[in-house]
Amino acid sequence: QQQVKQSPQSLIVQKGGISIINCAYENTAFDYFPWYQQFPGKGPALLIAIRPDVSEKKEGRFTISFNKSAKQFSLHIMDSQPGDSATYFCAAEPGSARQLTFGSGTQLTVLP
Amino acid sequence: DAEITQSPRHKITETGRQVTLACHQTWNHNNMFWYRQDLGHGLRLIHYSYGVQDTNKGEVSDGYSVSRSNTEDLPLTLESAASSQTSVYFCATSPGGGTDTQYFGPGTRLTVL
Repeated sequence: QQQVKQSPQSLIVQKGGISIINCAYENTAFDYFPWYQQFPGKGPALLIAIRPDVSEKKEGRFTISFNKSAKQFSLHIMDSQPGDSATYFCAAEPGSARQLTFGSGTQLTVLP
Repeated sequence: DAEITQSPRHKITETGRQVTLACHQTWNHNNMFWYRQDLGHGLRLIHYSYGVQDTNKGEVSDGYSVSRSNTEDLPLTLESAASSQTSVYFCATSPGGGTDTQYFGPGTRLTVL
C-alpha cells in the first residue's frame, strides 16, 4: 500500500521555467514532510522539509507548499536550471516514529 | 569529515547465496536505516535500528536481517539471495533526539543472477 503518491513520474522543463512536483498522503499521523534530491549514482540528499504548522516554506529557489486539509504538498523549483536535473522524492514521517515513507520519485530534466 | 560508507559498491551474486552488505557511519548517529530503491517504487524501508542491540522490521523485511552490535555499523544480510532482491541498497542515518533529517550513503548495487 503506497501511503505517499507522487506525480508526475517524469518532468521536462525549459531553463528558467518553474518545476512543480506534487505529493498526496493518506496517513494523518504524518507530521514531517521532506523532499530529497538524488543525482545519478549518488544517495538521496535532503533538499527542504516542512511541518504541518506552516503552509509554505521557501529556501532559495525551492518552495514547499502544504495543504493539510487536502493532505497534499508540492515542491516548486523557480528559475529551474540544468543543474537541477535529478530525481526528486517526497517523503512523510509520523510523529510517533522516525521512519520515512517515500513517494515513487520524479525524474526532472531541465533543458538548457 | 563524518560520513557514511557502504561496501561493496557493486556486487554480483548467485541465487541462494548469503550476501552481506556493509554500512559504516562516523556521524555517531543513533538511528540507522536500510532501504532498497527500485524503479517505480521509490525507496522502501527494509530494517532500521534506534540504537545498539535494537533492530526493527520495515515494510519489505522478508529475506533480510540486520544486527547492531555497535553504534557505527548496521550490516544487512540476505540469507538466501533471490532474483527479486536485485536492487540498489541505501543505508541512512539520523541523529535521533527529535532531529528527523536522514543522511544517505552512496548505495550498493546488487545483482542476483
